[in-house]
Amino acid sequence: DAKTTQPTSMDCAEGRAANLPCNHSTISGNEYVYWYRQIHSQGPQYIIHGLKNNETNEMASLIITEDRKSSTLILPHATLRDTAVYYCIVRVGGSNYKLTFGKGTLLTVNP
Amino acid sequence: GAVVSQHPSWVICKSGTSVKIECRSLDFQATTMFWYRQFPKQSLMLMATSNEGSKATYEQGVEKDKFLINHASLTLSTLTVTSAHPEDSSFYICSALGSTNSPLHFGNGTRLTVT
Repeated sequence: DAKTTQPTSMDCAEGRAANLPCNHSTISGNEYVYWYRQIHSQGPQYIIHGLKNNETNEMASLIITEDRKSSTLILPHATLRDTAVYYCIVRVGGSNYKLTFGKGTLLTVNP
Repeated sequence: GAVVSQHPSWVICKSGTSVKIECRSLDFQATTMFWYRQFPKQSLMLMATSNEGSKATYEQGVEKDKFLINHASLTLSTLTVTSAHPEDSSFYICSALGSTNSPLHFGNGTRLTVT
């Protein structure tokens, strides 16, 4: 699976949008971009995933560049409970399902 | 939907004893389950992949005789840490996959402390 690069940490003010970047310049055409987050001492929580098109759900939006070499996770109105480590992961679709976690981005939402 | 339950959430055991951790998919059938381990301030590391009814596949460096995995049904996988030692103290997290087109869902983890 392609390697991803994320900033180690970011800060965001409560109520503002949090934009978390991820570089995956070696991504292959059949690899999906997944985002998970892990709140302290809990298991990872699935947020969103996409292949080529931008995606939106009740938690977040995922913007994937046209060349697919980077993506941005957007939390439109960050709250204190969004403070967590956010992981960007790319994986091949299909039966060979294995998620490899990098170090992620620690997002701290400040009051 | 897609709830994965892990039990216990924390356990303390004495060195040399064995500990079993259960992972259940509550509202879906999990063809594949994964076990991860996470040390403090580190990321999750995949330990093994288990498919229902077959032997688990262990990642390099993970001792299969020490970390016994059983996936006897489509809703239950267990991880047994045998002859636990203090260095096995860690956060163990399971995840379950319903289908290859669905996201992987995780349990809330088990904090193991070996004294």
